[in-house]
Amino acid sequence: GESVGLHLPTLSVQEGDNSIINCAYSNSASDYFIWYKQESGKGPQFIIDIRSNMDKRQGQRVTVLLNKTVKHLSLQIAATQPGDSAVYFCADRNFGNEKLTFGTGTRLTIIP
Amino acid sequence: NAGVTQTPKFRVLKTGQSMTLLCAQDMNHEYMYWYRQDPGMGLRLIHYSVGEGTTAKGEVPDGYNVSRLKKQNFLLGLESAAPSQTSVYFCASAIPLAGGPKEQFFGPGTRLTVL
Repeated sequence: GESVGLHLPTLSVQEGDNSIINCAYSNSASDYFIWYKQESGKGPQFIIDIRSNMDKRQGQRVTVLLNKTVKHLSLQIAATQPGDSAVYFCADRNFGNEKLTFGTGTRLTIIP
Repeated sequence: NAGVTQTPKFRVLKTGQSMTLLCAQDMNHEYMYWYRQDPGMGLRLIHYSVGEGTTAKGEVPDGYNVSRLKKQNFLLGLESAAPSQTSVYFCASAIPLAGGPKEQFFGPGTRLTVL
């Protein structure tokens, strides 16, 4: 999830298991949320997004859950593969704001 | 489509030197952004633009300037580089969605070292 400081939160998951990465946001006016994946040496890559009028959205092997009551966002990755090893960022946007706010990221490591 | 491209990929500068980083996108996006990313940290917004001829300050604008003379290009300038500007710089672009940006598409990054 989100954190402050130089050390990324880490999550280690056995290959084939499901991964759940969490993110907390602070602004109740946030209306749009995105998950990104960043592999080593590359730019962030869009995974999935969700608007605030939804609680859940599914993609290919990924599901994003939004709990507006507690301002919590999660990314679920099914049947984790070695290629899923990366840093995952959440981002949110306030309606009418021209910018996204990014979390610090979570490093996902897959154990063979 | 090439998406978002950045030039150069790597650069080493001496303190006090100047340089310009070029970002180009071929997706006709209105919004463009410059971020820096330091080791183990998230993305910090330097400057952004919501359209040709417009720019605005982000979270960490000091020591940087930008220009958006053409819709497809967004330039980031360092007038007098400092070691604290050693970082990886990412450019991103986005289309509007209901009053703000939709998901941003990122370039591959420029790794800058200032000695």
